[in-house]
Order: sequence, then C-alpha cells, then structure tokens
Amino acid sequence: DAGVIQSPRHEVTEMGQEVTLRCKPISGHDYLFWYRQTMMRGLELLIYFNNNVPIDDSGMPEDRFSAKMPNASFSTLKIQPSEPRDSAVYFCASSLAINTGELFFGEGSRLTVL
Amino acid sequence: KNEVEQSPQNLTAQEGEFITINCSYSVGISALHWLQQHPGGGIVSLFMLSSGKKKHGRLIATINIQEKHSSLHITASHPRDSAVYICAVKGGGGADGLTFGKGTHLIIQP
Repeated sequence: DAGVIQSPRHEVTEMGQEVTLRCKPISGHDYLFWYRQTMMRGLELLIYFNNNVPIDDSGMPEDRFSAKMPNASFSTLKIQPSEPRDSAVYFCASSLAINTGELFFGEGSRLTVL
Repeated sequence: KNEVEQSPQNLTAQEGEFITINCSYSVGISALHWLQQHPGGGIVSLFMLSSGKKKHGRLIATINIQEKHSSLHITASHPRDSAVYICAVKGGGGADGLTFGKGTHLIIQP
C-alpha cells in the first residue's frame, strides 16, 4: 500500500480564497483524522471520521472550516474564506481502530495564506 | 482535557549517547503514542503502548500507568536519530482524538 496520500503538498494562496486539501487513507482503515500543526500550538486534532461518518469535529476552529468524507477512500478539508492565521501544516492520518490501532500519517499539506 | 508535558524541550547529544525523553499526562488514558517527525516534516509512528514496555531496534518505550508517565529511550544514538519526538495520548478528559505534547527537538552530533 502507498500509505496515506495527501495533496497538495504545498499551497500558497491569498486571504479570502477557498482552499481544499485532500486525503486518501490506507485501504481498509476505518478511521481518518485531520490534524493541524503550527509552531505556537503544535499538533491539534481538527476532526475525525469513522466509516466515513464525522464523529468529533470539536477541534474545527470555526465555521470557515469544513470536512467531508464522501467514501472510504477520500476526504477533503476545506477552508472558505482562508485567513493568514490558517497558515499551518495540515496532516491526514488513518488507522484500523481508534483505541488500539497504529496511526499512519500522510506527508502533510503546507498551507500559506498571504 | 488531558495535559501532556514533554521534557526536555530541546536536547543536543553526542553520537553514541543514551537518550531519554519523558512524557507525563494528567488524566488516565487508553493508549500512548510516540511519534517521530524529521526535518522534512513527515510524521512516523514509533510506538503505541498502553502498558509495560516495547522495543524496536535501538528504541525502547516504557509506560507507567499509575504514575501517568512514559519514557522513550534511544540507545547508541546516531545523527540520523535527529528529529522531533512527539508524545500523544488517547483518551482521558472525554477526548476521543489524540492530545499531543509540544515535542522534544533532538540533535545528535557526530
């Protein structure tokens, strides 16, 4: 398996623009997580899905952020409109089980909002 | 919410030294992860443990559930071990997702 695949790896955009980040989890993994990493706050959970259903979105910073998982092999994280404070690295990860499953991370999407 | 503290924040050592990184948390957990992040940014899961000790090559992870403490040890350290090591805990405080420590920046000098 190719592992968790994220795209784009890097995105630079202007304030106000819509940003869409994409993730393909490892086949067969039931859990998908979106994390954000900044220098100030480190890694934070934004949202996670179980069998394509959002379970906990309490980490999503505000209504500008939304995430979907239309099928078992694809998820998106959308920011609309983007702001400079959204600049961060966004990681997607997947696992077989939430309590006992090892986490597999994607390479991350580095977002810069000017 | 679980509070996760790592120490030290930064560590520079010479090649060959024995390295210990510590992690403590405030609320009981179901599992603890040790992650490694290289300068390129990718994150790799090193260990997931809920009790006792695990070993993989030169890496050893231990956890003491009663004391809410875990350690990551590196024996015979090598410059390629230079990375950020992140402790993350699952469960406790009502959280379903992982709560992360701030990470330990490790530099191994040749």
